[in-house]
Amino acid sequence: EPEVTQTPSHQVTQMGQEVILRCVPISNHLYFYWYRQILGQKVEFLVSFYNNEISEKSEIFDDQFSVERPDGSNFTLKIRSTKLEDSAMYFCASRGTGTNTGELFFGEGSRLTVL
Amino acid sequence: AQSVTQLGSHVSVSEGALVLLRCNYSSSVPPYLFWYVQYPNQGLQLLLKYTTGATLVKGINGFEAEFKKSETSFHLTKPSAHMSDAAEYFCAVSDPYSTLTFGKGTMLLVSP
Repeated sequence: EPEVTQTPSHQVTQMGQEVILRCVPISNHLYFYWYRQILGQKVEFLVSFYNNEISEKSEIFDDQFSVERPDGSNFTLKIRSTKLEDSAMYFCASRGTGTNTGELFFGEGSRLTVL
Repeated sequence: AQSVTQLGSHVSVSEGALVLLRCNYSSSVPPYLFWYVQYPNQGLQLLLKYTTGATLVKGINGFEAEFKKSETSFHLTKPSAHMSDAAEYFCAVSDPYSTLTFGKGTMLLVSP
């Protein structure tokens, strides 16, 4: 069964360092998303991406964050200068075309720990 | 704007007992409603969804949920809990025009 894959599964970094989280969405999907979950809190929307551009972003997604689809398969989230409060589980998701019933397919997440 | 409220951050049941996880939503347009489950150290897995049609929807692992528009609810139930059901459960809402919004999650604890 097709699935969304994410790497790394866990990354530890120092405050101020740049981090890139990688995602390979399901191959025929065209809508891509990043969500995050701070420990003990709810899953929060960060950004959605379609047709090589951001279609929607939350107030969390400030200038420190960027997304890119560098090739036909990867979808990346970059945090330019990490802060302690960026420590969270980051989930990538994708959605197929056709009627939008809102269902997203999620990866297993990348846990980011900022020290 | 959409929102989801899940009553109870933790729910404890005994094995074999009824599972009831509560979810209420707010949406200005007819919603799509979802329950996702997250097992320890794993990603989010879709349990079931309501988009249109029958208001009682059945999902994987014996779970079901009923969309009640008058109560703006989408509670998740399972007649008999198994130890393997222990996980965190997230209710979520979206519509054709917006992204998925999650509730805070409910941790289900199952004791022998």
